[in-house]
Amino acid sequence: NAGVTQTPKFRILKIGQSMTLQCAQDMNHNYMYWYRQDPGMGLKLIYYSVGAGITDKGEVPNGYNVSRSTTEDFPLRLELAAPSQTSVYFCASSYGPRLDTEAFFGQGTRLTVV
Amino acid sequence: AQTVTQSQPEMSVQEAETVTLSCTYDTSENNYYLFWYKQPPSRQMILVIRQEAYKQQNATENRFSVNFQKAAKSFSLKISDSQLGDTAMYFCAFMKHNNNDMRFGAGTRLTVKP
Repeated sequence: NAGVTQTPKFRILKIGQSMTLQCAQDMNHNYMYWYRQDPGMGLKLIYYSVGAGITDKGEVPNGYNVSRSTTEDFPLRLELAAPSQTSVYFCASSYGPRLDTEAFFGQGTRLTVV
Repeated sequence: AQTVTQSQPEMSVQEAETVTLSCTYDTSENNYYLFWYKQPPSRQMILVIRQEAYKQQNATENRFSVNFQKAAKSFSLKISDSQLGDTAMYFCAFMKHNNNDMRFGAGTRLTVKP
C-alpha cells in the first residue's frame, strides 16, 4: 500500500530550466492537490483536481501547470524555473472534497532553483 | 481572503505536561472547517484534529483537544500528557465549506523535552 508517491525527493534546477514533479496515488482518490511550503510558512495550494480531466487553480498557480489524464497521476510542471520557486512541494490526495477526508500526503519534493 | 495566524513560532514543554498552541483566523464566512496538522521531521503531514464551525462542542481526539471560540475567531490546540513523539511542527488550517482551498498558518515548532 504505497499511498501517495512523489518523485524526485530532491532536485536542483538552474534558472530557466523546466521539470515535472511526479505524483501518483494508488487509493483511487478523486481529489488531488499540489501545495508548496516555503521556509517558516504554512502550505499554500498551487493547483488541485477533483477528477481525471479536471483541474483548477489554487492560491499560488503562477509559474506552474498541471494535468490529470488519469485518476492515479497528477504531475506538476515548472516551465521556466525561477529562484522564487525554491520550496518544498507536497502532493496530497483525498477520497472526498475535503483534505481531512481520508487525506494522505506525499513525502515532499525539495526543489532548489539556482 | 481568509488568513490564519499562529503567533508562537516555537514552544517547548516537558514530557507529561500540558501545552496549548494558539491560532486565530480571519473570515467573513459562517460555515467553515478548522484543522490542526502535525508535521514531524519526516515532513509527512498528519491530521490531528478538525472542527466544524457549526458545532459548538469542542473536538477531542485522545490527548488532543481544541478550544474553539467562534466569536473571537480563535482555535487553540491543547496537548495533554505530552510525549516525545509529539515533537513536530503544528499547523493550524482553515477551509470554507464546500471549498478545496485550505489556508494554513505559518506553524508552531513544538519540542517536547524529556
